[in-house]
Amino acid sequence: GENVEQHPSTLSVQEGDSAVIKCTYSDSASNYFPWYKQELGKGPQLIIDIRSNVGEKKDQRIAVTLNKTAKHFSLHITETQPEDSAVYFCAAGPGNQFYFGTGTSLTVIP
Amino acid sequence: DSGVTQTPKHLITATGQRVTLRCSPRSGDLSVYWYQQSLDQGLQFLIQYYNGEERAKGNILERFSAQQFPDLHSELNLSSLELGDSALYFCASSVGGVEEKLFFGSGTQLSVL
Repeated sequence: GENVEQHPSTLSVQEGDSAVIKCTYSDSASNYFPWYKQELGKGPQLIIDIRSNVGEKKDQRIAVTLNKTAKHFSLHITETQPEDSAVYFCAAGPGNQFYFGTGTSLTVIP
Repeated sequence: DSGVTQTPKHLITATGQRVTLRCSPRSGDLSVYWYQQSLDQGLQFLIQYYNGEERAKGNILERFSAQQFPDLHSELNLSSLELGDSALYFCASSVGGVEEKLFFGSGTQLSVL
C-alpha cells in the first residue's frame, strides 16, 4: 500500500513568516493529494487539495506544489498568523482510499 | 461545523469489553469512512461504506466491524478491547464513493483501562 512520509514533525515560525511542510509518497498510482488542518479537540478539516494533473494550486495564503516525478508534494503557508497554529496532515492515494502522513505541529509565534 | 456527527464524544471502558461508536454523515453524503488516530500510528484508514455497502477496507482488525444503515448512519463496533485500542476514532463522509473531499466529525475518544 501507500506510504506517506511527512516532515518536519514540528515547526515554529514567527508571525508573518512562511511555513513549508513536505511530504513524499511511494505509490505512483496515487493521484489525489489533500492537506488537512486539525485544531485541538476537532476533526481534520480539508484546507487545500491537488490532483496529479496539476503542478501547483493556490488559495489565498496557502499553496500546494506537486512533483510527480520525485513523488513529493509540499504545503506553503505565507504571512502566517497565530490562527494557523494547528497540526497539518498531508495525504495521498488513488481516489477515495488515501493514506495520511504523521502530521506537522505548526506553532506561529506572535 | 463539518456536519458530521459522532457519538459519544468520550468512552471509557475495560479490556475485553465491546463498544459501539456512531456516526451520522452530512446530509446528502452517501459514503462514510472510519479512521483511527493514535499518537504512534497517526491517522489510519479503517473502512469505507458507500450507500450501505462496504467499499474499501484498510487496516481494520478482525475484532472490529462496521456497518452502514439504510438511513446512512454508520456504526463501528469494537470488541474484545485491548489497551492498545485506546485512540481517537474519526468518522468522515463524502458525497459519493469516489469523491475525495472528506468531511470529518469531531471524533470519539476511546479509553480502554
